[in-house]
Amino acid sequence: EPEVTQTPSHQVTQMGQEVILRCVPISNHLYFYWYRQILGQKVEFLVSFYNNEISEKSEIFDDQFSVERPDGSNFTLKIRSTKLEDSAMYFCASSGGLDSNQPQHFGDGTRLSIL
Amino acid sequence: DAKTTQPPSMDCAEGRAANLPCNHSTISGNEYVYWYRQIHSQGPQYIIHGLKNNETNEMASLIITEDRKSSTLILPHATLRDTAVYYCIARNDYKLSFGAGTTVTVRA
Repeated sequence: EPEVTQTPSHQVTQMGQEVILRCVPISNHLYFYWYRQILGQKVEFLVSFYNNEISEKSEIFDDQFSVERPDGSNFTLKIRSTKLEDSAMYFCASSGGLDSNQPQHFGDGTRLSIL
Repeated sequence: DAKTTQPPSMDCAEGRAANLPCNHSTISGNEYVYWYRQIHSQGPQYIIHGLKNNETNEMASLIITEDRKSSTLILPHATLRDTAVYYCIARNDYKLSFGAGTTVTVRA
């Protein structure tokens, strides 16, 4: 069964450094998402992306965050100047459509630890 | 998205059916009911979704009441590997809004 893959599984970074989290969505999907989950808290939506543009973003997704589809297979989340509170699990998801009848399929996440 | 209400936790016996309730009394006509689960710290796993009709797939069945104000996810034969947090989400948007879910513990 096709799946979303994320790398690395764990990333440790010094505060203030830039970090890039990578995702390979399901191959025929065109809609991509990032969510995060701070330890012990709910899964939160960050951003959705289609046709090389952000479709929607949450208030969490401020100027330190950016997303990119650098080639035909990868989808990345960049955090420019990391803060301690960015420590969380980051999940990538993809779907075959944007409408609410299209399930999103998630990767197993990258655990980001900011020191 | 409409708010959903789920019990915080429930236990079930291995091999028995697990029935997970969800209330969504303010759901609108175009909102789908989605179920996901999260095993330990893995990514949320899609289980099933529906709008009005009952749905069944290889993982589970979804029963939606006629007035659509509540639904039940049924795991027909629970195994220890079904121990997870289960999320019921009413969705009419392209983002998923996760709540706290129900922590289901399957006991041998």
